[in-house]
This record gives sequence, structure tokens and C-alpha cells, in this order.
Amino acid sequence: DQQVKQNSPSLSVQEGRISILNCDYTNSMFDYFLWYKKYPAEGPTFLISISSIKDKNEDGRFTVFLNKSAKHLSLHIVPSQPGDSAVYFCAASSAESTSYGKLTFGQGTILTVHP
Amino acid sequence: DARVTQTPRHKVTEMGQEVTMRCQPILGHNTVFWYRQTMMQGLELLAYFRNRAPLDDSGMPKDRFSAEMPDATLATLKIQPSEPRDSAVYFCASGLLGEQFFGPGTRLTVL
Repeated sequence: DQQVKQNSPSLSVQEGRISILNCDYTNSMFDYFLWYKKYPAEGPTFLISISSIKDKNEDGRFTVFLNKSAKHLSLHIVPSQPGDSAVYFCAASSAESTSYGKLTFGQGTILTVHP
Repeated sequence: DARVTQTPRHKVTEMGQEVTMRCQPILGHNTVFWYRQTMMQGLELLAYFRNRAPLDDSGMPKDRFSAEMPDATLATLKIQPSEPRDSAVYFCASGLLGEQFFGPGTRLTVL
């Protein structure tokens, strides 16, 4: 049972445009959400996070939006750069699992940014 | 700089053989996770430890997989016997509070 879902396996965007990666979750106990970025032959690295008390968190070109009623979050990258090409994983945790640092990951979305 | 290390980086083996993957977590991190990356499931959590004690290994096939932390600087994941469906990239991650830091992974191919 996939509690965190990324329904788009891949996304292709032109350099300079906006990239929007989407993530849906089913567990209403999730209250902390993260995005990880993964390059080939490397492990995932933390990108940005958001707590359920917020609906937006911004860090440079990266913004994460959270819609709790829809159980949906999205990552916006503006402007997109070729170096952003990677696999992006959405992850979530609940207050209980956070105490152990446990995260539930989605399947990942491959982002390709064309020059 | 501190990072999670994993060995080997690549492993090719034949069906039925034992495979051992090793992980050195970041010094001071008290939680260690083992994940498997597949195309269909993304990052699946196999097992995790807090202060070297196993907290949850429900994600692992118990009959063939085992995970241990002999000491604070070493975590191991063993598969015996290995099967072709075990072919995947296995990641170790360590953390202290919330955020997890991943190693580069072990790419396992079982023929």
C-alpha cells in the first residue's frame, strides 16, 4: 500500500521554465514532508521540507506547497536549470515516526531539463 | 566532510550465493536505515536501527534477509540465498533528528 505517491514517472522541461513535481499522500497522520534529489550513482540528498503548519516554504529557486485538505504537495523549481536534471523523491513522516526519523518515500519522478 | 559510506559499490553474483553489504554511518548519528530502490516501488524501507537496536525490519523478506549493527560504526545487510529479484540498488542512510543522509548505494545484480 503506497502511502506516498508520485504519479508522474518523468517530466521534461525547457531551461528557464518552471518545473512542477507533484506528490500525493494517503496517511492523514503525516505532518512533515521532504523532497530529496538524486543524481545517477549517488544517494538521495535533502532538498527542502515543509511542516504541516505551513502551506508554503521557499528556498532560493525551490518552493514547496502543501495542500492538506487535498493531501497533496508540489515542488516548484523556477527557473529550471540543466543541473536540476535528476530523480526527485517526495517523503513524509508522522509525529510518531518522526521520533525515530522514519520517512515514507514515493516512487520518484525523473526530471529532465533541456538546454 | 562527514558522509555515509557503503561497500561494495557494485556486486554481481550468482543466484544462491550469499551477499553482504556494509555501511558506515556518520559518526554521532544514532539511527541507521536500509532502503532498496526499485523502479516500481521507489525507495522501500527494509529495516532501521536506533542506537544499534533494530526498531523495524518488517520491510525485509525474513527468510533470506538479515540486518545487524555489530557496533556503532558498522551496519550490515545480508541476503542468503540471493535471487535474481533481489537485483536493485541498496542504500544505507543515517540520521540524528528527522533528516536522513544517504550513502552512495550498492548496486546488486543477481544472475
